[in-house]
Amino acid sequence: DVKVTQSSRYLVKRTGEKVFLECVQDMDHENMFWYRQDPGLGLRLIYFSYDVKMKEKGDIPEGYSVSREKKERFSLILESASTNQTSMYLCASSLSEGLRETQYFGPGTRLLVL
Amino acid sequence: AQKVTQAQTEISVVEKEDVTLDCVYETRDTTYYLFWYKQPPSGELVFLIRRNSFDEQNEISGRYSWNFQKSTSSFNFTITASQVVDSAVYFCALSESPSNTGKLIFGQGTTLQVKP
Repeated sequence: DVKVTQSSRYLVKRTGEKVFLECVQDMDHENMFWYRQDPGLGLRLIYFSYDVKMKEKGDIPEGYSVSREKKERFSLILESASTNQTSMYLCASSLSEGLRETQYFGPGTRLLVL
Repeated sequence: AQKVTQAQTEISVVEKEDVTLDCVYETRDTTYYLFWYKQPPSGELVFLIRRNSFDEQNEISGRYSWNFQKSTSSFNFTITASQVVDSAVYFCALSESPSNTGKLIFGQGTTLQVKP
């Protein structure tokens, strides 16, 4: 079974703090993704990576950065957290298969920025 | 532009009722894939099914069934004899083109509440 883990289920941070969200997958997948999920807006893609040290902006990259130093790990960084970044963050990974790729998700991190 | 619409924001049914979740998509591509995911209260999205655009045969898996109709650009999901454990948010998604990005376009999700 594919296993995608996220470092924290719940996180509380203060405005201006630097926040790291970690995601690890154990299936040797090439692609990894970070989404945020907000009520009424569904899932919105923040960043994705199709290889080590490679990254591509998604639909809402502003205020975020990412790092992929190893194939199995994809980190999402909030350089200076703001209250509008309070959200559910979901990480996913997939094997590189073109259109038929299936993404597998982690349990999510609920981030509250005070 | 590609788009996925799940017009039903919330559905509430009583246990043992059948329920259908609607998904309508827009794409100009002839080759694409459609997906359904389930998100229980625990938060993790669970993959349910993947269907390619050339396979319009309906699929059944236990109490779950999927009706794919290219003529109406729909990929609806039916739960037969619903159970409380089916309560979740359900997402429909479409593979984004051009290919090789692995990106998915998600609908806004339908929250299903099954009451005992």
